[in-house]
Amino acid sequence: ILNVEQSPQSLHVQEGDSTNFTCSFPSSNFYALHWYRWETAKSPEALFVMTLNGDEKKKGRISATLNTKEGYSYLYIKGSQPEDSATYLCASYSGGGADGLTFGKGTHLIIQP
Amino acid sequence: EPEVTQTPSHQVTQMGQEVILRCVPISNHLYFYWYRQILGQKVEFLVSFYNNEISEKSEIFDDQFSVERPDGSNFTLKIRSTKLEDSAMYFCASSEAQVGELFFGEGSRLTVL
Repeated sequence: ILNVEQSPQSLHVQEGDSTNFTCSFPSSNFYALHWYRWETAKSPEALFVMTLNGDEKKKGRISATLNTKEGYSYLYIKGSQPEDSATYLCASYSGGGADGLTFGKGTHLIIQP
Repeated sequence: EPEVTQTPSHQVTQMGQEVILRCVPISNHLYFYWYRQILGQKVEFLVSFYNNEISEKSEIFDDQFSVERPDGSNFTLKIRSTKLEDSAMYFCASSEAQVGELFFGEGSRLTVL
């Protein structure tokens, strides 16, 4: 069973500050890494899907990097805004087997005005 | 914008009863999934479905669970004889590709008494 870990579990950030958090995953048989944003009372929404070592993806003020050799991904948010408050989930897929896309517990981000 | 829809949004049932949770995936998607989240815990993979058959399933997806795509649009999860520990939020998701981004429904909250 894959073990996908995210840290920190929760994070309070001042509006306007930049922040980042980590997802670590087993690097063997790696196939893809997903990031999702999950706002309260809504469904998870995909941010990025990354497959290649060294991949960097960007969507507005949010970006992510991927290191498949050492098994980690960082998510960065530049100039945090209140609407960035959400739980950020990462999920790893190892290809085949009985794990599907395995999610971490998430990082709960709260932006303080 | 196309979306995944789930019904019911909340179901309360007695232990031992059968429950069917329904999902309508996005119409041109080929891969379908069920995930669940027990309160306070990780989102857990249950099953993936492609080409009218189960492609992967987790240890959670035992003989009490089944999935069906009865009519080319609905994708259902049946729990044959519910247990207290089946109480969770159940999310349906669909994707165009095997490891493409998942589009989630808003979830069906199941409460087993």
